[in-house]
Amino acid sequence: GAGVSQSPSNKVTEKGKDVELRCDPISGHTALYWYRQRLGQGLEFLIYFQGNSAPDKSGLPSDRFSAERTGESVSTLTIQRTQQEDSAVYLCASSLPSKHYEQYFGPGTRLTVT
Amino acid sequence: DQQVKQNSPSLSVQEGRISILNCDYTNSMFDYFLWYKKYPAEGPTFLISISSIKDKNEDGRFTVFLNKSAKHLSLHIVPSQPGDSAVYFCAATYNFGNEKLTFGTGTRLTIIP
Repeated sequence: GAGVSQSPSNKVTEKGKDVELRCDPISGHTALYWYRQRLGQGLEFLIYFQGNSAPDKSGLPSDRFSAERTGESVSTLTIQRTQQEDSAVYLCASSLPSKHYEQYFGPGTRLTVT
Repeated sequence: DQQVKQNSPSLSVQEGRISILNCDYTNSMFDYFLWYKKYPAEGPTFLISISSIKDKNEDGRFTVFLNKSAKHLSLHIVPSQPGDSAVYFCAATYNFGNEKLTFGTGTRLTIIP
């Protein structure tokens, strides 16, 4: 079956512009996560959606970052007024409700802010 | 504050030998640990996990060992194969409602044919 997909695969933007990243989770996966990986770093948790519950936004680094999820499907991560330190690979993952620990990752979106 | 640490950024192992990747954690509340494998330009893929109630979990060529008193876990791959060349991430989480994973910085494993 189809895995987690993300678009675009690469995005180059100018400092100060807004960007929107998209994630399509695996069908039936009610949990969805966003992480980012900056160069030489581990994966850093950003936000977590579970069904209709309020999302866990505790990892968002600033109020320039926001994310939405439509039901139990597509999610978008929006970064407003991008800064050079936002350059990273943004990874989306999804999981089954009974196996939250085993997350399935998409290939990521590489964001470069110039 | 790096709660999960992988102190070896890289490791090279001869094909057929054992690869041992190490991971340390500082948060004693973590009670579930995972290893993910990542190839270039792909997302990480789940490899193996272990609950804090166990000290060993084995799956084919992969075995994870957990030493809770030392807050240390390790991944053993034996025998190592060229396809095992990848970046390996250790991750940890805790089981009281927050399913986010806390990742280490990864170890790049290279298997030498």
